[in-house]
Amino acid sequence: DTEVTQTPKHLVMGMTNKKSLKCEQHMGHRAMYWYKQKAKKPPELMFVYSYEKLSINESVPSRFSPECPNSSLLNLHLHALQPEDSALYLCASSQVANYGYTFGSGTRLTVV
Amino acid sequence: ELKVEQNPLFLSMQEGKNYTIYCNYSTTSDRLYWYRQDPGKSLESLFVLLSNGAVKQEGRLMASLDTKARLSTLHITAAVHDLSATYFCAARYGNKLVFGAGTILRVKS
Repeated sequence: DTEVTQTPKHLVMGMTNKKSLKCEQHMGHRAMYWYKQKAKKPPELMFVYSYEKLSINESVPSRFSPECPNSSLLNLHLHALQPEDSALYLCASSQVANYGYTFGSGTRLTVV
Repeated sequence: ELKVEQNPLFLSMQEGKNYTIYCNYSTTSDRLYWYRQDPGKSLESLFVLLSNGAVKQEGRLMASLDTKARLSTLHITAAVHDLSATYFCAARYGNKLVFGAGTILRVKS
């Protein structure tokens, strides 16, 4: 299995909702990432997990809460989001000492 | 902090002609990546460049890296319509991958 699987592919949520994005990989990668991509912009790093521990938080608002329950799974919990948080959320994984990053297909999030 | 600049940001290409996208990065990075993104889709890895003078080719695309100049180029030979997409370069800085703004390629018949 050489894929990063993200679910759901599309999500529409209200500003008072709580939802979660899920990312899964079975390549044995020990680093996992969340990126946010707005339309016509490059991906922007949000969080990095290395060996299931949060190693980088790019000053992301607390309404985004990451979780890495095990080495294969990465979640992003969403609460009280704003319409400007609507974007494509991309998950990626890599071996910590290797050079390849594998990106998932993304979750298209719309906040209404 | 690493900054990555791409130019041009938009490239209108004629079929059959050659073009180059430039990617400059501001501080030492040990790896340079090129990705392709089709509208509404995720990122497709094209090339990973690891060392000075590295050159990689796949079909009509060729990428090179000059670490002394902190410059990578993506050369397109004899453009065809199916190359239309957005192309990003990205440089690795510690455990971060920092992306350039992207170059939108459109190939006209």
